[in-house]
Amino acid sequence: EAGVAQSPRYKIIEKRQSVAFWCNPISGHATLYWYQQILGQGPKLLIQFQNNGVVDDSQLPKDRFSAERLKGVDSTLKIQPAKLEDSAVYLCASSPRLDPSYNEQFFGPGTRLTVL
Amino acid sequence: GESVGLHLPTLSVQEGDNSIINCAYSNSASDYFIWYKQESGKGPQFIIDIRSNMDKRQGQRVTVLLNKTVKHLSLQIAATQPGDSAVYFCAENREGTYKYIFGTGTRLKVLA
Repeated sequence: EAGVAQSPRYKIIEKRQSVAFWCNPISGHATLYWYQQILGQGPKLLIQFQNNGVVDDSQLPKDRFSAERLKGVDSTLKIQPAKLEDSAVYLCASSPRLDPSYNEQFFGPGTRLTVL
Repeated sequence: GESVGLHLPTLSVQEGDNSIINCAYSNSASDYFIWYKQESGKGPQFIIDIRSNMDKRQGQRVTVLLNKTVKHLSLQIAATQPGDSAVYFCAENREGTYKYIFGTGTRLKVLA
């Protein structure tokens, strides 16, 4: 079974530029998560989708971050404009169901963003 | 959230010894917990989970202990191997919510 795919793996941009990350979840997984992981910290949930609907985006900085999952499959996360503090690894994860207590959340390798 | 910046707590153990990694979770209403292992350049990987109606669960070479009284979780790794070197995170889920809250990570270094 193929895992969660993310691209690009690395991205370096100047502050105030825009950047987009792409995630393709495991086939058939209805729930998709985007996390931000700052160096030395645990992942922090940015947004969670169930199919193409948003379940939780309470920690997404909506003035600069946006995400979509238009067809309920792959997803993009965008930052516009980027700030220095956005430097982090952006992790995508997917799960076949909404309830996290079934321990079926699988993570992709992440995209490491460096903002200069 | 938890923040340790670049000063991630580190546990160094000799190969073959047992490791104990601790985690203090934040919400007394949390009822499901997971330990993740994260190797450099990779996403977190599931190790073992436990529900709040249990206080101990064993897997292959790993044991998770849960103390709800003091909101404490521990991961024990038996006969630690070089491949166990990684950062370990605990995560909690509160019933009725759909997300995990990750705790402060611990870096495990296995010495040959």
